[in-house]
Amino acid sequence: SQQGEEDPQALSIQEGENATMNCSYKTSINNLQWYRQNSGRGLVHLILIRSNEREKHSGRLRVTLDTSKKSSSLLITASRAADTASYFCATDAGGFKTIFGAGTRLFVKA
Amino acid sequence: KAGVTQTPRYLIKTRGQQVTLSCSPISGHRSVSWYQQTPGQGLQFLFEYFSETQRNKGNFPGRFSGRQFSNSRSEMNVSTLELGDSALYLCASRQGIGIDEQFFGPGTRLTVL
Repeated sequence: SQQGEEDPQALSIQEGENATMNCSYKTSINNLQWYRQNSGRGLVHLILIRSNEREKHSGRLRVTLDTSKKSSSLLITASRAADTASYFCATDAGGFKTIFGAGTRLFVKA
Repeated sequence: KAGVTQTPRYLIKTRGQQVTLSCSPISGHRSVSWYQQTPGQGLQFLFEYFSETQRNKGNFPGRFSGRQFSNSRSEMNVSTLELGDSALYLCASRQGIGIDEQFFGPGTRLTVL
């Protein structure tokens, strides 16, 4: 099965609300990354958090990493309709293999 | 810098045919990875190349192959196409090994009839 598993599978919120997505993984990692994908298009890198970091911010994004629980969360604050997309976590356990989770589909209603 | 480019963007083939997809990484990036994305299986890692050598391979049959050229451009080939090969094929590049973020191209949408 995939290394990263996102939760929830789908999330629907109103514009202005916060959206939280979670990711769990199975093995030790060097880093964890979050990506966004708009419908049927390429992925856009959002943020990378290394295994020795616990929290990272980028604009309206906040990512946390708990290596003891093998989990990460992505928080999008003050969501906008343009944030509607699928969000994936990806883990890099070393070497050349990056494993993606199944993704969370976020719908932000205007 | 120009982003990752993939050609063609859309492709329609029939079962049994073969197909070659091309990816040009961001200038200076030496690592290229390929992924297959389908509604049922999600994003699955195919392989990654670095300095013209395949460094890792996902769990795909031997019909899926790739190569990387000295200018870091990469191609992937799928022979004897099956209906289940219909997918969005994504290419990503990064500067080097391991911890760098990946930059994705727009993908090639392959439809097998």
